[in-house]
Amino acid sequence: EAQVTQNPRYLITVTGKKLTVTCSQNMNHEYMSWYRQDPGLGLRQIYYSMNVEVTDKGDVPEGYKVSRKEKRNFPLILESPSPNQTSLYFCASSPQGGQVNGYTFGSGTRLTVV
Amino acid sequence: SQQGEEDPQALSIQEGENATMNCSYKTSINNLQWYRQNSGRGLVHLILIRSNEREKHSGRLRVTLDTSKKSSSLLITASRAADTASYFCATDAWDSNYQLIWGAGTKLIIKP
Repeated sequence: EAQVTQNPRYLITVTGKKLTVTCSQNMNHEYMSWYRQDPGLGLRQIYYSMNVEVTDKGDVPEGYKVSRKEKRNFPLILESPSPNQTSLYFCASSPQGGQVNGYTFGSGTRLTVV
Repeated sequence: SQQGEEDPQALSIQEGENATMNCSYKTSINNLQWYRQNSGRGLVHLILIRSNEREKHSGRLRVTLDTSKKSSSLLITASRAADTASYFCATDAWDSNYQLIWGAGTKLIIKP
């Protein structure tokens, strides 16, 4: 089944403890992206990647890192999480930036930083 | 950055009725997409309409695009309880480098 897999689904952590949210797609998509969703603020893009070893900042990149060492994986790294990073996170992928078939989203990771 | 604005913010209708949601945007686009999100879950792509298209259908969904007014509408006919969700429009602007710009969404509730 074609899908984007995020892990974990739920995560509670403490301020300052480094964490990684994994994202993997099995559709050979070139484009991958991370979003956070907060009530009243909608979807905001954190980072995106046009292809392997190519990453760029989105609208809210501060406090986050990403890497794209291989096509299928696009992990999101929080080096020192803070409570304002408590949010619902989504990974998405598309063949070429969503211009043909739209994005495929993962099921989300609900992160709480205490 | 937010470009699309959905209207209304919330809509509650009886099962079987039609639901219409609107989206307005600010800059010239390559395409406009509609997505559905069930509570707390991932977004699901519904339909993509290109800037040179005026109307597109998919099952019970009908999307129109008016580039002169920079607006789009999503019509769901014969609504069902399972259509209860939030609906988002997203635009792929000309100069966006493939970035989608999202609206804040319309929350649709279908009453049985």
